[in-house]
Amino acid sequence: KNQVEQSPQSLIILEGKNCTLQCNYTVSPFSNLRWYKQDTGRGPVSLTIMTFSENTKSNGRYTATLDADTKQSSLHITASQLSDSASYICVREDGGSYIPTFGRGTSLIVHP
Amino acid sequence: EAQVTQNPRYLITVTGKKLTVTCSQNMNHEYMSWYRQDPGLGLRQIYYSMNVEVTDKGDVPEGYKVSRKEKRNFPLILESPSPNQTSLYFCASTRQGRSSNEQFFGPGTRLTVL
Repeated sequence: KNQVEQSPQSLIILEGKNCTLQCNYTVSPFSNLRWYKQDTGRGPVSLTIMTFSENTKSNGRYTATLDADTKQSSLHITASQLSDSASYICVREDGGSYIPTFGRGTSLIVHP
Repeated sequence: EAQVTQNPRYLITVTGKKLTVTCSQNMNHEYMSWYRQDPGLGLRQIYYSMNVEVTDKGDVPEGYKVSRKEKRNFPLILESPSPNQTSLYFCASTRQGRSSNEQFFGPGTRLTVL
């Protein structure tokens, strides 16, 4: 069983709407929780990173939250744009290891 | 421009024909890795390298080889490709920081084995 589970698997929203993607992890503590954005046909690019002790981190219209008690992270996208159409991947990172644990991603499609 | 490059970007080959996918980074990173990405399975690590001449298996190493003769290059070798190795492959280079290690991914190589 993957230690990082993401939901939903896919999501379709209209341009301008907000959405929230979920990430549940089973093993803690860890060093960091990172969200990547992966455009179709390209490699993932880091969006946000939070340490185990942080609750929230923003990057423009993207806001990530972390609840260590429930072992959940979420990525909230505000006022979605067509360019937000991509796969979003949640990753658990251990500081003592260089082997991150990847979620399977959420595929987001933003329609005009 | 800091980047990770991979070649080729697309490759169609036949079962058993040896191939190499090259990966190069210009950021002087010590740590590099290879992933494959399949629908519904996400990114899975094939091999990683902590430094020159230091490599180790990831989660799915069967059927693959790597080498790290110099810091900037980390080629992925398929000695005898099989159809189950049809996938999207990513090379990544890691910037080691005080509190986090950020991975920079290449553009990907889409491999089809017939």
